Amino acid sequence: DAGITQSPRHKVTETGTPVTLRCHQTENHRYMYWYRQDPGHGLRLIHYSYGVKDTDKGEVSDGYSVSRSKTEDFLLTLESATSSQTSVYFCAISGGGNEKLFFGSGTQLSVL
Amino acid sequence: ILNVEQSPQSLHVQEGDSTNFTCSFPSSNFYALHWYRWETAKSPEALFVMTLNGDEKKKGRISATLNTKEGYSYLYIKGSQPEDSATYLCAPLASGGSYIPTFGRGTSLIVHP
Repeated sequence: DAGITQSPRHKVTETGTPVTLRCHQTENHRYMYWYRQDPGHGLRLIHYSYGVKDTDKGEVSDGYSVSRSKTEDFLLTLESATSSQTSVYFCAISGGGNEKLFFGSGTQLSVL
Repeated sequence: ILNVEQSPQSLHVQEGDSTNFTCSFPSSNFYALHWYRWETAKSPEALFVMTLNGDEKKKGRISATLNTKEGYSYLYIKGSQPEDSATYLCAPLASGGSYIPTFGRGTSLIVHP
């Protein structure tokens, strides 16, 4: 298995609180991605990174920010969580170009 | 954002049946296409990376074809087994931009013993 670790695996939080999810890789891959999975929508891209301090928005980036200060870590922050951000969040990594993605185990986030 | 369509949305077959499903995507600016298998309670895992028009890939009983000119790919499963039950996702990548995979909503396959 590709060395990707997501933390936490599960989190319950209250509306309006900040939340940070962490993705850690040991593969030295250049690209890192955050997706959310919702019924009827499949996997939708939130943000991605193509290098240290290089990030860009995806399809559903509103309400989310990211940071990548080291190759191995990609953080996803919900500045003020809302119930619509209840979802399963997946981190993925790749070497870029046409290379396949390797996914983490996911984080189940519930915002009450 | 690429417009990616997968059909059917779900499929129930009997063990031993062969089946196929479709991924449609914009043919312009095509760069590559990924297929992933996503089993319940697990993470998606890559099946194939396809890049050339006419590409055919095979892994065991699963194969895929690619037509970049008309913008579609087929995934075939020969002699379905219960362990093939999963959601199958396609994700095209477009050139001229970020080369980021855009996922379709997937085809959910359930194989009944």
